Amino acid sequence: AQRVTQPEKLLSVFKGAPVELKCNYSYSGSPELFWYVQYSRQRLQLLLRHISRESIKGFTADLNKGETSFHLKKPFAQEEDSAMYYCALRSSGGSNYKLTFGKGTLLTVNP
Amino acid sequence: DAGITQSPRHKVTETGTPVTLRCHQTENHRYMYWYRQDPGHGLRLIHYSYGVKDTDKGEVSDGYSVSRSKTEDFLLTLESATSSQTSVYFCAISGPGQGNTQQYFGPGTRLTVT
Repeated sequence: AQRVTQPEKLLSVFKGAPVELKCNYSYSGSPELFWYVQYSRQRLQLLLRHISRESIKGFTADLNKGETSFHLKKPFAQEEDSAMYYCALRSSGGSNYKLTFGKGTLLTVNP
Repeated sequence: DAGITQSPRHKVTETGTPVTLRCHQTENHRYMYWYRQDPGHGLRLIHYSYGVKDTDKGEVSDGYSVSRSKTEDFLLTLESATSSQTSVYFCAISGPGQGNTQQYFGPGTRLTVT
C-alpha cells in the first residue's frame, strides 16, 4: 500500500530564513508527487508537481527516488507563506487518479 | 478557481439525522472525489467517482454513500450522522489524460454533528 509521511505537524521559522518541509513516501512503483497548499480559510490549491520541475512562489521540490523523498524548500520564507502544506502521491499507470495525502505540516512564518 | 461549488457551506445537524452534501462542477471533468479533513489526519478519501453512476470506496467510506446521476453533480450522504463525522468535507475534480492528474478542490463544507 502507498503511504505519505510528513514528519512535522508544525514548523515555525522567521521571515527570511530558509524553510524545508519534509515528505517521505512508500510506493513500489514510479509515483507522481504533488505539494498542495491551503491558506487560512481557503480551498486547497496545487503548489507544484514533480513532473513539472518548476518553481512556484519561490518553492522547489525534487523527487529523490533513492531516499523516497519529495521535500519542499524555499530559501527565504515570507510571512505570506504561512499555511498548511500537504504532500500527495498518485500511483502510476492506468486510470488511477486517486491521491494519497500526508497529514500535513502547518508552517508559520514569524515577522 | 476551477468551477467547483459545494453546498451547503456550513451545516449543524443532530446525531441520527440524514445529511446530504452536494458538489457541483462546471468543468465537465470525469473524476470527482469526496475527502474529509481532520486535524492530525490530513485529507482522507471517502468515495470517488470515475463517471456517471460509477463510484467506488475510499479509505474511510463507512457511514457514507454517494451518487452521481450526471457529470456535474456528486452527492455525499451521511445516512445517520454521528459525532465522529463532524469534519470539513472537500470535493475535488480531475480530468483524464496525462496532463490532467492534478485535482482541483472545492471551498469545503463544515459539518457539525451535535
